[in-house]
Amino acid sequence: DGGITQSPKYLFRKEGQNVTLSCEQNLNHDAMYWYRQDPGQGLRLIYYSQIVNDFQKGDIAEGYSVSREKKESFPLTVTSAQKNPTAFYLCASSEETSAVATQYFGPGTRLLVL
Amino acid sequence: GNSVTQMEGPVTLSEEAFLTINCTYTATGYPSLFWYVQYPGEGLQLLLKATKADDKGSNKGFEATYRKETTSFHLEKGSVQVSDSAVYFCALKHNAGNMLTFGGGTRLMVKP
Repeated sequence: DGGITQSPKYLFRKEGQNVTLSCEQNLNHDAMYWYRQDPGQGLRLIYYSQIVNDFQKGDIAEGYSVSREKKESFPLTVTSAQKNPTAFYLCASSEETSAVATQYFGPGTRLLVL
Repeated sequence: GNSVTQMEGPVTLSEEAFLTINCTYTATGYPSLFWYVQYPGEGLQLLLKATKADDKGSNKGFEATYRKETTSFHLEKGSVQVSDSAVYFCALKHNAGNMLTFGGGTRLMVKP
């Protein structure tokens, strides 16, 4: 079965700690995305990548970093500079980046601060 | 810039009632329009989409028509079920870019 996997499902971060969220897809999609969802709100784009070894900032990139060394993987690091990291993080991918391309989402990782 | 506005929830209906969730958008050009559904504790699933004016997207009894003249993409279902209880997101994707712009989401609660 093709799809997008995110791990872990729940992640706890201590003050001043960096944590990395995993996102893997076996759909052979070129483009991948990270979104943040706060309670009762819509999704906001953190970073996106259209191709391996390339990525762009979204609307709320401060305090986050990403890498795209492999087509199937797009990990997100939440750094200590992100002062309010508690949220639900969703990874997505699409076959290409045209307006008609559908984005498919993973199950999400919920990040909580201890 | 691009934006999407959805009716605020929660929307509470009895089983078999008719559903409408309003969605209007602001964008230049001809965006593609999407409805996603999020069940509790899960990621988003694509429900339906429309890529040009007057297109009707449909899936699982849900429908939405791309109305350029009113810049709307309202979601409808003739008879809701308890299993339809979820949060519904309207989104647009602009021709010139590859980012989705989401509305704030509308929570639907269907009671038996």
